[in-house]
Amino acid sequence: DQQVKQNSPSLSVQEGRISILNCDYTNSMFDYFLWYKKYPAEGPTFLISISSIKDKNEDGRFTVFLNKSAKHLSLHIVPSQPGDSAVYFCAASSPSRARFGAGTRLTVKP
Amino acid sequence: EADIYQTPRYLVIGTGKKITLECSQTMGHDKMYWYQQDPGMELHLIHYSYGVNSTEKGDLSSESTVSRIRTEHFPLTLESARPSHTSQYLCASSESRQSQETQYFGPGTRLLVL
Repeated sequence: DQQVKQNSPSLSVQEGRISILNCDYTNSMFDYFLWYKKYPAEGPTFLISISSIKDKNEDGRFTVFLNKSAKHLSLHIVPSQPGDSAVYFCAASSPSRARFGAGTRLTVKP
Repeated sequence: EADIYQTPRYLVIGTGKKITLECSQTMGHDKMYWYQQDPGMELHLIHYSYGVNSTEKGDLSSESTVSRIRTEHFPLTLESARPSHTSQYLCASSESRQSQETQYFGPGTRLLVL
């Protein structure tokens, strides 16, 4: 059962524009949501997170929005830079474990 | 900066061979994980450990086994490799088991079983 879904396998945006990556989850027991970024030949690294009691968390160019009623979260990157090109994984976490989506490959074109 | 290491990075091996994928972390983290990921698919948790001498199976059934004799070391073993084991294996650790605890990942091992 795929409890965390990233329905867009890839996204291409122009440098300077906004990148929006989406993630849907099915289990209302998740209480924390995280985004990880992965470059080729490296493991995923933590990017930003949000608690289920919040609806927005911002860190520099990165903002994560959470819509609990829709069981949906999104990652906004503004402005996008070529160095942001990577695979982004959404993760939903509960005290027992975290579940990851399949990732979205973001390409930022100069 | 996270310090978690995996060896080998790439492995091509024949069917029936026994293999051990190594994972070590120098952060003193209690919790460690093994994930399996096929291209374009989500990361599947196959094993985890809450500490020394503690190991549990994850969400995805796996023929592999793990051990946790030392805090820093969490090796994964396949007694008899098969082509269906071809995948990427990612090791991770976290300081605790709380929901907000981020996981630190190693670079992964790409396994190809012929």
